[in-house]
Amino acid sequence: GQQLNQSPQSMFIQEGEDVSMNCTSSSIFNTWLWYKQDPGEGPVLLIALYKAGELTSNGRLTAQFGITRKDSFLNISASIPSDVGIYFCAGPSSGGSNYKLTFGKGTLLTVNP
Amino acid sequence: DADVTQTPRNRITKTGKRIMLECSQTKGHDRMYWYRQDPGLGLRLIYYSFDVKDINKGEISDGYSVSRQAQAKFSLSLESAIPNQTALYFCATSDSGRGVNTEAFFGQGTRLTVV
Repeated sequence: GQQLNQSPQSMFIQEGEDVSMNCTSSSIFNTWLWYKQDPGEGPVLLIALYKAGELTSNGRLTAQFGITRKDSFLNISASIPSDVGIYFCAGPSSGGSNYKLTFGKGTLLTVNP
Repeated sequence: DADVTQTPRNRITKTGKRIMLECSQTKGHDRMYWYRQDPGLGLRLIYYSFDVKDINKGEISDGYSVSRQAQAKFSLSLESAIPNQTALYFCATSDSGRGVNTEAFFGQGTRLTVV
């Protein structure tokens, strides 16, 4: 099946720093989704990308759909303590009508005040 | 109120016991999913259902079963729980009407411990 490789696995940064994480796939994706999971909660959708090359922002977050359709990145600018959590990339597992999501293993972000 | 509600939120059970995790949603979505989360392994799909009469195995379905009682309800059962099924379980929903825009919406999770 399709696999998503997400890196880095974890990051420890100081408040105010910018953060970048990425996700690569072994096959082409038509949609890239970025989720955040706060401690003790379920994942929440941050940004959805639907076109190769698309660059989308949501506040301090910016995500891009790679031109090759096999990668995506998420940037967080001027990090704050509430950015702490696990960030997941995700995309549909296969073509046709079987729209189910495959998730990366996540990037654990720690922000030191 | 949460759009996707999971019960219980926490559960401790003994090896060999049957346990059911329940999920209900008020989003009106036709698709529902059960995922399992283990540290360092991300979210892995157990079962999914695209409508009431459609049930499909995910990548790690062994030891689990599901029931789609209604469009809004999707339950996950462990027929005979074992310790390596200790994990955080998430229910999710999505709307087929959005075509390829397949965003999933998650419940708050059920933390299951099998002792």
